[in-house]
Amino acid sequence: GENVEQHPSTLSVQEGDSAVIKCTYSDSASNYFPWYKQELGKGPQLIIDIRSNVGEKKDQRIAVTLNKTAKHFSLHITETQPEDSAVYFCAASRESGGGNKLTFGTGTQLKVEL
Amino acid sequence: KAGVTQTPRYLIKTRGQQVTLSCSPISGHRSVSWYQQTPGQGLQFLFEYFSETQRNKGNFPGRFSGRQFSNSRSEMNVSTLELGDSALYLCASSLGGADGYTFGSGTRLTVV
Repeated sequence: GENVEQHPSTLSVQEGDSAVIKCTYSDSASNYFPWYKQELGKGPQLIIDIRSNVGEKKDQRIAVTLNKTAKHFSLHITETQPEDSAVYFCAASRESGGGNKLTFGTGTQLKVEL
Repeated sequence: KAGVTQTPRYLIKTRGQQVTLSCSPISGHRSVSWYQQTPGQGLQFLFEYFSETQRNKGNFPGRFSGRQFSNSRSEMNVSTLELGDSALYLCASSLGGADGYTFGSGTRLTVV
């Protein structure tokens, strides 16, 4: 089955700096890669996603890049703010008509310091 | 619009008991999936239901089961609870696939 590795497990940055979280996946058939943000006491919230036919996607301060050949994808957050502090999860899925499931990375605790 | 609603939010059960958790998806969403979240194992897929049929299942023992009703609401059941079943159980709904999953806030289950 699919295996997703995520690094780093913890990341501390100064407010205004950029943060980068990296993930690798094992199943070359995976074609959907979402990123989730989870705050304390809440469920994961989708912040951005990318499909395998696209190399990069951006939404304001957040961007995701995908390298299918190397089977890795990354989350980039620019101009970080204290409210960006949370746990971030990457995930991979092979979408098909027979059902779908997300395989998650182990999470990155991001701390944005003032 | 209303989000994914999970009840109850917190639950304490004794080892050997059984428990039923409930999930109401976003209106119009037909796919409901369940995940278990623990500090040690992270987020792990339990099963997915679509139009009252289980169409995908994770690697959990048969003590974990679920069902979906005609209104897309879903329940999951865990029988003969073990201490290791203590976790946050998350439900997610979507129109039909992993694309656009919306998660609920989860049910925190503690087995003592």
